[in-house]
Parts: sequence; C-alpha cells; structure tokens
Amino acid sequence: GQQLNQSPQSMFIQEGEDVSMNCTSSSIFNTWLWYKQDPGEGPVLLIALYKAGELTSNGRLTAQFGITRKDSFLNISASIPSDVGIYFCAGPNDYKLSFGAGTTVTVRA
Amino acid sequence: DAGVTQSPTHLIKTRGQHVTLRCSPISGHKSVSWYQQVLGQGPQFIFQYYEKEERGRGNFPDRFSARQFPNYSSELNVNALLLGDSALYLCASSLALARNTEAFFGQGTRLTVV
Repeated sequence: GQQLNQSPQSMFIQEGEDVSMNCTSSSIFNTWLWYKQDPGEGPVLLIALYKAGELTSNGRLTAQFGITRKDSFLNISASIPSDVGIYFCAGPNDYKLSFGAGTTVTVRA
Repeated sequence: DAGVTQSPTHLIKTRGQHVTLRCSPISGHKSVSWYQQVLGQGPQFIFQYYEKEERGRGNFPDRFSARQFPNYSSELNVNALLLGDSALYLCASSLALARNTEAFFGQGTRLTVV
C-alpha cells in the first residue's frame, strides 16, 4: 500500500523561528493534504495542494507540492506557542487517505 | 455551521464486549470515512461509505463493521473487543467520492479496552 514518510519525526523550536518539514512517498499523488492535530483532538486540515509545483499559503503556513508528485513540504514562519502539535501529511488514494506518522513540534517559549 | 460530530468522546469497555461509535457529517456531505489512530501513528483507514453504500474497506478484521443511514450519519461497530482495539477512532466527512476531495475530521472517540 501507500507509504508516506515524514521527517523529522520531532523537533524543538524557539519561538519566532521558521520551521520546515517534509513528506515523501513511494508513489505518485495527485493531491497532498497537510493536517495539524492537537492532543485529544481530531486532525484539522491546514492546506490542500492539487497541482505539481504548486505553492500555497495559509497565514504563516506555506506548503509546496513537489514536481515529482512524490513529495511535499510544509513551512511555518515565525513560530508561536500555539504551533505545538503533530503535523501530518496525507495523500488520497481512491477512497481513502494515507497518512504519514507525523512530525511532532514543540515550541520553547 | 456544525462540523463533524462524534459520540461518545470517551469510552471504556471490557475485552469481549461490543461497542458502537457514532458520527454525524458536515451538513451536505454525503461521504463518511472511519479511521483508527493508535498512539504515535497516523490515522489508519477502516471504512468509507458514500450514499449509504460501503465504497472501501481497510485491512481490518470482520469484527469491524459500519453502516450509513439515510441522513448520512454513520455508525462504526466493533465486536469481541481486544486490548489492541484501544485507540482514537476518527470520523471524516467529505462532500463527494472524488479522489481529490478534502476530508474533515471530528474530534474522535477515545476507546479504551481493559
């Protein structure tokens, strides 16, 4: 089945810093989705990407759809404490979403 | 507008028991999917229902079953519970069945099997 690999697995960042994470796949996706999950909550959709090479922003978040269609990147600029959480990439495959294992972000105040 | 709602939010069951989890999708959404998320992992697909029919099933045993009602709400049933079924069960709703349709998740039901 589809396997999505996210890196890094976890990161500690200083408030105000920029952070990057990425997701790679063994297969091609036509859509990439980025979700954030807070403890005890369901994942919340942050950004959806539909075209290879596409760069999309949502506030301080910017995501890119890799031109090979096998990878995607998420950047967070000027981190704040509420950026803490787990970030998941996901790719639709027929009727389901395949998820990576997540990148856990912890912000030092 | 109400998002995806799931009930109950938390549940404790004993091994061998049966459990029913419920989900109401976003108004106007006809597709409901169920995912299981164990600690430290991403959600794993269990079922998708669209227009009351099962459209996809993940690699889960027959103890797991689901259905979708005429109002598009859905139930996930798990029989003969095992300790390993302890997880966060997530429901996701989407507008249609198209591959690129975005999925929106509920807050989940935390199931603990003891």
